[in-house]
Amino acid sequence: RKEVEQDPGPFNVPEGATVAFNCTYSNSASQSFFWYRQDCRKEPKLLMSVYSSGNEDGRFTAQLNRASQYISLLIRDSKLSDSATYLCVVNANIVSDKLIFGTGTRLQVFP
Amino acid sequence: DVKVTQSSRYLVKRTGEKVFLECVQDMDHENMFWYRQDPGLGLRLIYFSYDVKMKEKGDIPEGYSVSREKKERFSLILESASTNQTSMYLCASTLRPAFYEQYFGPGTRLTVT
Repeated sequence: RKEVEQDPGPFNVPEGATVAFNCTYSNSASQSFFWYRQDCRKEPKLLMSVYSSGNEDGRFTAQLNRASQYISLLIRDSKLSDSATYLCVVNANIVSDKLIFGTGTRLQVFP
Repeated sequence: DVKVTQSSRYLVKRTGEKVFLECVQDMDHENMFWYRQDPGLGLRLIYFSYDVKMKEKGDIPEGYSVSREKKERFSLILESASTNQTSMYLCASTLRPAFYEQYFGPGTRLTVT
């Protein structure tokens, strides 16, 4: 089983739609969770951290479910500019500073 | 504005050549990383460094070495380039690994022929 698993997509959605991505992680001792965004041929950039209580930033909401070991990202009112690959990122374990990156979920928003 | 720069955006080298990829950050971060990114495999950690002259192997260190002589500079060395090292190489730095944002450079697309 991969340490971090994501549906690669692509998710093709119209502008204004709501779309959600899930990501599962294998190590129950992981403590840090993030969503990064990567545009085509660009470097990854932090979108948001994921806290136990959930985290909302404008149209973006991230949630953590420790019992089922998954994190989610919800994007409301999708914009064309949201088209990108979204990487789920988890720290390897409680004593490690290493981050494990998922392979990403590709989102394409069309007019 | 935080910045991580990499010496080249595109590089073409021949099999067997020694290749140097350089990364510089201006954020005074102690922690720096080298990843490679391949389709379907995601980002994989090659080496990282917690401080000057310190280095730790990541998940795929074979065929690579690193150098950290100054805090702001972290170099990745391919001792003898091979075609399976054709990839996108990304450098990153962070204030505190695993808990703070990792800032990435723009990447170097390396092709080994």
